[in-house]
Amino acid sequence: DAKTTQPNSMESNEEEPVHLPCNHSTISGTDYIHWYRQLPSQGPEYVIHGLTSNVNNRMASLAIAEDRKSSTLILHRATLRDAAVYYCILRGSGGSNYKLTFGKGTLLTVNP
Amino acid sequence: EAGVAQSPRYKIIEKRQSVAFWCNPISGHATLYWYQQILGQGPKLLIQFQNNGVVDDSQLPKDRFSAERLKGVDSTLKIQPAKLEDSAVYLCASSLEWAVNSPLHFGNGTRLTVT
Repeated sequence: DAKTTQPNSMESNEEEPVHLPCNHSTISGTDYIHWYRQLPSQGPEYVIHGLTSNVNNRMASLAIAEDRKSSTLILHRATLRDAAVYYCILRGSGGSNYKLTFGKGTLLTVNP
Repeated sequence: EAGVAQSPRYKIIEKRQSVAFWCNPISGHATLYWYQQILGQGPKLLIQFQNNGVVDDSQLPKDRFSAERLKGVDSTLKIQPAKLEDSAVYLCASSLEWAVNSPLHFGNGTRLTVT
């Protein structure tokens, strides 16, 4: 399975931007980069996904490196509600990589 | 749109007892997933259904776990008999289609404690 590497934890201040990094050096050409987050006592929540180009939606932005070996999830203005575990997951169209396989993610703490 | 509904929210049982969890996916979603999340870990896929057929159950402990999806809508996951190591949150998710671009929508899970 294609794997990702994320920091165990990060800290941010409320109303400041947050950049959550993810390394995926073994990514294949058909793998999409997906981000989910999990708030305390809730199920995971879809955030964003992309293949090659940067992506924006109402929740966040996804910046993908030109060689696709890394990506960054950007929360433009962190709020207390953004405190969660963030998972970066590769999901491809073939074999076992098709599954949404979660790692341990990054625990984001947002300080008031 | 209504989200994925799961019940019960919490369940406490003794080891060797049986337990069942219920999931109602988002209306119209063809693909349904059951995940197990042990404390401190990310969710692990147990079984995936496409309509009412099983697509992947490679990580389901079939000697004690079973799941079905009647008429391609609701699903139940059963454990019989339960072991201490089955203590976890059981998450149900659904997606509109079986496609790499189709996001999963998760319920809030059932927290199982086996004593």
